Amino acid sequence: DAGVTQSPTHLIKTRGQQVTLRCSPKSGHDTVSWYQQALGQGPQFIFQYYEEEERQRGNFPDRFSGHQFPNYSSELNVNALWLGDSALYLCASSFLTGPRSYEQYFGPGTRLTVT
Amino acid sequence: TQLLEQSPQFLSIQEGENLTVYCNSSSVFSSLQWYRQEPGEGPVLLVTVVTGGEVKKLKRLTFQFGDARKDSSLHITAAQPGDTGLYLCAGAIMGAQKLVFGQGTRLTINP
Repeated sequence: DAGVTQSPTHLIKTRGQQVTLRCSPKSGHDTVSWYQQALGQGPQFIFQYYEEEERQRGNFPDRFSGHQFPNYSSELNVNALWLGDSALYLCASSFLTGPRSYEQYFGPGTRLTVT
Repeated sequence: TQLLEQSPQFLSIQEGENLTVYCNSSSVFSSLQWYRQEPGEGPVLLVTVVTGGEVKKLKRLTFQFGDARKDSSLHITAAQPGDTGLYLCAGAIMGAQKLVFGQGTRLTINP
């Protein structure tokens, strides 16, 4: 049973550039959530996708956008990168409904460094 | 704004000692999850508690959800070096799947 996978593992970008991160959910899951984890902090919710639409959004600017594909995989895009965007970006998958819908399973993350 | 306060933020103890990590909020959560995270990896789900007053045990780890579903605790008995890691609590907002995380407890168990 494949877990949540993310790519790339590490990424270095320059201020002002754009970046795309990718996520494949755990087999059978239909919902993907993205989190940003700064060094020494807990993860912060960015947004959640279900049925190819953004379902919920945290307090992140419009520079952060996403997409979900028919196979449930997802992308996170960040435009006009700031130094403060340097963080571990985590993808989590889950079921939207059902008895275990509250459980989210995380991927290994993508470490983004902005210089 | 929902906020989860986790304490202590850092804890270093000797092998064999017991410890408790606390997670507190003024908000009510539909469920609360505890995760463990290793450096450079994603959080791994340890347990989910759903019912107020619920207690779950995972070997030497005991998790409790407060009666009002606003707080939780993690108790480790006879800690071992393999328990070293970052422990995160996360509350699920009522009616949503969004998780609000505490800032984490970095636990070090010394041999």
